[in-house]
Amino acid sequence: DAGITQSPRYKITETGRQVTLMCHQTWSHSYMFWYRQDLGHGLRLIYYSAAADITDKGEVPDGYVVSRSKTENFPLTLESATRSQTSVYFCASSDWEDSDYFTGELFFGEGSRLTVL
Amino acid sequence: QQQVKQSPQSLIVQKGGISIINCAYENTAFDYFPWYQQFPGKGPALLIAIRPDVSEKKEGRFTISFNKSAKQFSLHIMDSQPGDSATYFCAASRGNTGNQFYFGTGTSLTVIP
Repeated sequence: DAGITQSPRYKITETGRQVTLMCHQTWSHSYMFWYRQDLGHGLRLIYYSAAADITDKGEVPDGYVVSRSKTENFPLTLESATRSQTSVYFCASSDWEDSDYFTGELFFGEGSRLTVL
Repeated sequence: QQQVKQSPQSLIVQKGGISIINCAYENTAFDYFPWYQQFPGKGPALLIAIRPDVSEKKEGRFTISFNKSAKQFSLHIMDSQPGDSATYFCAASRGNTGNQFYFGTGTSLTVIP
């Protein structure tokens, strides 16, 4: 099915463990994003990628690592999970029309709910 | 510092009523203002969006009102339905900088039958 898929949908882990959240999109969108959603904070950008092998930090990147070796995949790794990283994580993708005016829509996955004990 | 401020945090409306959610921003470089709708257990999805060259955009029962001088924009849901119960996020971005999407904190809307 076309779209953007995240796995796992639910994950419980312990403090200090490494966790990787997977994201796969079938549209060949240039841009991919990782957001975290927390009550009272809305959606905050963790990392984004403009193309394969190009990544950059967002608003809250500390404690996270990303890679993008293929256009369709954008995994997010928590190298040593902390309780403050308990959250719902959303992957999103987007592509731009070739114009000077932004027209991109963000397409979100269904989220990965992570609990760090 | 919250780039986009959204209110109220939660809203309860009777079926058939009007739901109004407000957002404010400071950065005058923002030039794209979308609203996203999120149902429980799902990711946000684009509902409607506006650019600052117009003061209002309507799509069905959903209307965005935009006040450039006040740096405010709002979502109006006319004839609210129980199926509209969801969380709504406003956002703002600058031009062709996809990494510069700033979201509000969200409004949980409940429409009572």
